[in-house]
Amino acid sequence: NAGVTQTPKFQVLKTGQSMTLQCAQDMNHEYMSWYRQDPGMGLRLIHYSVGAGITDQGEVPNGYNVSRSTTEDFPLRLLSAAPSQTSVYFCASSKDRDGQPQHFGDGTRLSIL
Amino acid sequence: AQSVSQHNHHVILSEAASLELGCNYSYGGTVNLFWYVQYPGQHLQLLLKYFSGDPLVKGIKGFEAEFIKSKFSFNLRKPSVQWSDTAEYFCAVSSGTYKYIFGTGTRLKVLA
Repeated sequence: NAGVTQTPKFQVLKTGQSMTLQCAQDMNHEYMSWYRQDPGMGLRLIHYSVGAGITDQGEVPNGYNVSRSTTEDFPLRLLSAAPSQTSVYFCASSKDRDGQPQHFGDGTRLSIL
Repeated sequence: AQSVSQHNHHVILSEAASLELGCNYSYGGTVNLFWYVQYPGQHLQLLLKYFSGDPLVKGIKGFEAEFIKSKFSFNLRKPSVQWSDTAEYFCAVSSGTYKYIFGTGTRLKVLA
């Protein structure tokens, strides 16, 4: 099993550009989530999903969109990139109904110029 | 709103020293509590978790944590650290609503 796969691993964008961070898991987990990790701030929840077709906002959802058309995929879209979105992004999945993050991807390091 | 505080941002210990990392949370209801570890260059891994029952929870690699409800604390301990424990440690809390709040992390450096 591949677990949680995130692509790309690194990305540099210009302010105003849009892009999609991909996240896929092959464990048939219902719960998936996106976090951003910033120095001195720990991980902050951006969006999460409890199953296909169901998404909800976390702590810091502004500037990001998500969708969950399949159980496997949970892409994160930056609509108009801003320097404040420079961060490391982690996708996580869980098999438990309470959604406890159990499997994390390797992260995407995103820089916005 | 829930919050998690980890007051120790950086900790430096010698091998064989004992470790205690503080974690305090603010939430009046029932909570689930977690400790995660992130080794250099790796993603987060779950160390241990507390849902209910015995407040002393044992996790992997010799770590344990004690839930003290009256103090809103869930401190992580290890009797004797090793160089390989050098990592960043995150406390997290959830009230069971799928939203997990993480602390800011504690960077532990163990000197050989």
